[in-house]
Amino acid sequence: GQQVMQIPQYQHVQEGEDFTTYCNSSTTLSNIQWYKQRPGGHPVFLIQLVKSGEVKKQKRLTFQFGEAKKNSSLHITATQTTDVGTYFCAGNFGNEKLTFGTGTRLTIIP
Amino acid sequence: NAGVTQTPKFQVLKTGQSMTLQCAQDMNHEYMSWYRQDPGMGLRLIHYSVGAGITDQGEVPNGYNVSRSTTEDFPLRLLSAAPSQTSVYFCASSPGKNTEAFFGQGTRLTVV
Repeated sequence: GQQVMQIPQYQHVQEGEDFTTYCNSSTTLSNIQWYKQRPGGHPVFLIQLVKSGEVKKQKRLTFQFGEAKKNSSLHITATQTTDVGTYFCAGNFGNEKLTFGTGTRLTIIP
Repeated sequence: NAGVTQTPKFQVLKTGQSMTLQCAQDMNHEYMSWYRQDPGMGLRLIHYSVGAGITDQGEVPNGYNVSRSTTEDFPLRLLSAAPSQTSVYFCASSPGKNTEAFFGQGTRLTVV
């Protein structure tokens, strides 16, 4: 089936360190979205990547979509306590459905 | 703006009971979906709808029914609750295909 794998499952970093989460698919994606879920909250949309090799930035967050459109990454520079939460990628394989990765739970050590 | 509203926020059911989780959106979105979230498994799609009168199955549809009689509402029915359905349920809506999904606050369901 069409799956999106996400690693790592957990990441603990010192405040100020960088953080990266990766998503991979065995099948070419039409596009990929990224969401953030705060503890006890609901997923909130961050960004969508559509083009091969696309790179987008939102302040300290950098999102990349691979050249083959099978992988993506989210990098946070100099983490802050407000970055705590679980980050999900969600891939679209050309239909109406979003397939979510298993998420990376980020905790920050002050 | 209310966005996507789910009720109830919490529910405890006994095995075999039935219930309906409500989801309503006021953004006139065509697409609506139901997901369940379990520890370590991300969000898994249960059912989705691309417009009023149209529904389709997602990844884990067994034990759940949906209907979409209006653009605004997309209720999820558990026919005979089982402990395996203990989970957090999220409803989401989108303006169209391949667009941002807006999530409700979630319903935490426990089946005992």
